[in-house]
Amino acid sequence: DTGVSQDPRHKITKRGQNVTFRCDPISEHNRLYWYRQTLGQGPEFLTYFQNEAQLEKSRLLSDRFSAERPKGSFSTLEIQRTEQGDSAMYLCASSPGGGPLGEQFFGPGTRLTVL
Amino acid sequence: GQQVMQIPQYQHVQEGEDFTTYCNSSTTLSNIQWYKQRPGGHPVFLIQLVKSGEVKKQKRLTFQFGEAKKNSSLHITATQTTDVGTYFCAGGSLDFNKFYFGSGTKLNVKP
Repeated sequence: DTGVSQDPRHKITKRGQNVTFRCDPISEHNRLYWYRQTLGQGPEFLTYFQNEAQLEKSRLLSDRFSAERPKGSFSTLEIQRTEQGDSAMYLCASSPGGGPLGEQFFGPGTRLTVL
Repeated sequence: GQQVMQIPQYQHVQEGEDFTTYCNSSTTLSNIQWYKQRPGGHPVFLIQLVKSGEVKKQKRLTFQFGEAKKNSSLHITATQTTDVGTYFCAGGSLDFNKFYFGSGTKLNVKP
């Protein structure tokens, strides 16, 4: 399968714990996005990487959220001191380079439940 | 902050009827993308519009980007049960670094 993969698919954690999610984009896609989606809503932009550079981060994100893409391939999203309001589906999408525009290929998402 | 509003939230149609969803941005967009998400699935890309006033067609689907690059619409002619899902627009920021998704229109088609 050459699509975007995310791991884990589901995560249940207790409030206050830290969690980390991984996204493997389509090979050679240099653009990578993280989104959060809650039931009945559209994906909410979290952050954007071009290769290993984090070019944009939503002002809606608190300092508890951090993302990395150390070698310009896979990316990780960490949430520290989770809160119940963090419960959501976390989606990763990748897009080919060669210009500023292009379709986004979404992964299956990681569903986070904070108890 | 920038917002992309999408209406209607829900649409129930009889198979064969037409369907339209509308997106409106508070600011000018660099481009707009449309996605379809089936229940339990992830968004799947349908199309991208870049030019002011652009119209694109995909079989029964017609996509339009407004002259001011602030609004867009998706029209489906003669809906089929396979069209069921939630349709999202995603407006691209002028610096091309982020996309703002609308809240989606959930389409239900009765056979």
